Amino acid sequence: KQEVTQIPAALSVPEGENLVLNCSFTDSAIYNLQWFRQDPGKGLTSLLLIQSSQREQTSGRLNASLDKSSGRSTLYIAASQPGDSATYLCAANYGGSQGNLIFGKGTKLSVKP
Amino acid sequence: NAGVTQTPKFQVLKTGQSMTLQCAQDMNHNSMYWYRQDPGMGLRLIYYSASEGTTDKGEVPNGYNVSRLNKREFSLRLESAAPSQTSVYFCASSEGPSGRNYGYTFGSGTRLTVV
Repeated sequence: KQEVTQIPAALSVPEGENLVLNCSFTDSAIYNLQWFRQDPGKGLTSLLLIQSSQREQTSGRLNASLDKSSGRSTLYIAASQPGDSATYLCAANYGGSQGNLIFGKGTKLSVKP
Repeated sequence: NAGVTQTPKFQVLKTGQSMTLQCAQDMNHNSMYWYRQDPGMGLRLIYYSASEGTTDKGEVPNGYNVSRLNKREFSLRLESAAPSQTSVYFCASSEGPSGRNYGYTFGSGTRLTVV
């Protein structure tokens, strides 16, 4: 069964710290992997999309890496800010007609001033 | 750019009532999806439409029906609402069936409570 796991479920850090969120997937035959941000009571905002042929993607203070062979992806956030507080979701896309987007349950990040 | 627009944002229903959740996208995407998000369960696929004119069941389709009205619009209908359908519903779209090139774009959600 295709599963996506995110550890830790919650993380609290002081402002300014660099941090890493982890995502692991059981089936390495992914098309791509997408990281989302979800603020309380809001929808999902796409942060980064990494194709299966890529090793990493960067956007501002965010850097996402992908290692298909080990079934892992990481989201690195540099110089964290209180505004980064949110739940971060990763989703592995296995393609197919239904898209087959498998979500992790998320990491809830709190950045303290 | 509006992206994916969902209406309504909030709804309270009584058990047995029916309602339709609306979703529209303005990105000329071919594929559209309905997910539900529940605490501890993550996001689960209810129904999807790989292209205009086609719909198919996802992981948790029981109690729901869908209509792909045209390329832009994909609606989700609850015929007889049950408390177990209390959830947050998200509509999403992608340029192709697998979201291969550009990933998925999500709407802001509909928070539904069935009492």
